Amino acid sequence: DAKTTQPNSMESNEEEPVHLPCNHSTISGTDYIHWYRQLPSQGPEYVIHGLTSNVNNRMASLAIAEDRKSSTLILHRATLRDAAVYYCILSPRFGNEKLTFGTGTRLTIIP
Amino acid sequence: SQTIHQWPATLVQPVGSPLSLECTVEGTSNPNLYWYRQAAGRGLQLLFYSVGIGQISSEVPQNLSASRPQDRQFILSSKKLLLSDSGFYLCAWRAGRGNTEAFFGQGTRLTVV
Repeated sequence: DAKTTQPNSMESNEEEPVHLPCNHSTISGTDYIHWYRQLPSQGPEYVIHGLTSNVNNRMASLAIAEDRKSSTLILHRATLRDAAVYYCILSPRFGNEKLTFGTGTRLTIIP
Repeated sequence: SQTIHQWPATLVQPVGSPLSLECTVEGTSNPNLYWYRQAAGRGLQLLFYSVGIGQISSEVPQNLSASRPQDRQFILSSKKLLLSDSGFYLCAWRAGRGNTEAFFGQGTRLTVV
């Protein structure tokens, strides 16, 4: 299975943009890149996903490198409620249906 | 709309006792179903997943088993709990693979004493 690598932790100031990186150098051409976040004592929630092009939704933006070996989740204006663990995972279009999470990045927002 | 129910929210069980956690999904059919465990301060470990009734894939050989007796019901069981089974157990579903998102339940916090 293709793996992802993320920094263990990051800090950001409130009301500033946050760029969360993810490396996935062994990604296959049909793997989707998904991002989830987990607030304390809750289950993860979906944030965004993409395949090749950059994506925007109401929560965040996803920037995908041209060679698809890395991606960046962008929170445009961090709030205290964005403090969470952010997971970058690969979701194959073909093959088995398992969904594997890594350890993610713990994002701390400084007031 | 689709919803996922997971219960109980918290559970304290003695070592050696059995376990049964249930997860049900509403508003969809033939979902892929997943059980995860999260130890304190750790990441999500995939335990089992199922693509249909009676079809279970095990990711980690251990003291647990899973069953899917109905299309939208996923059960996690153990005959004899160990201290190391303590953790936060999460059920999730998704409609397919690839570009479909997963939806998680609120989780069960299990403490084995």
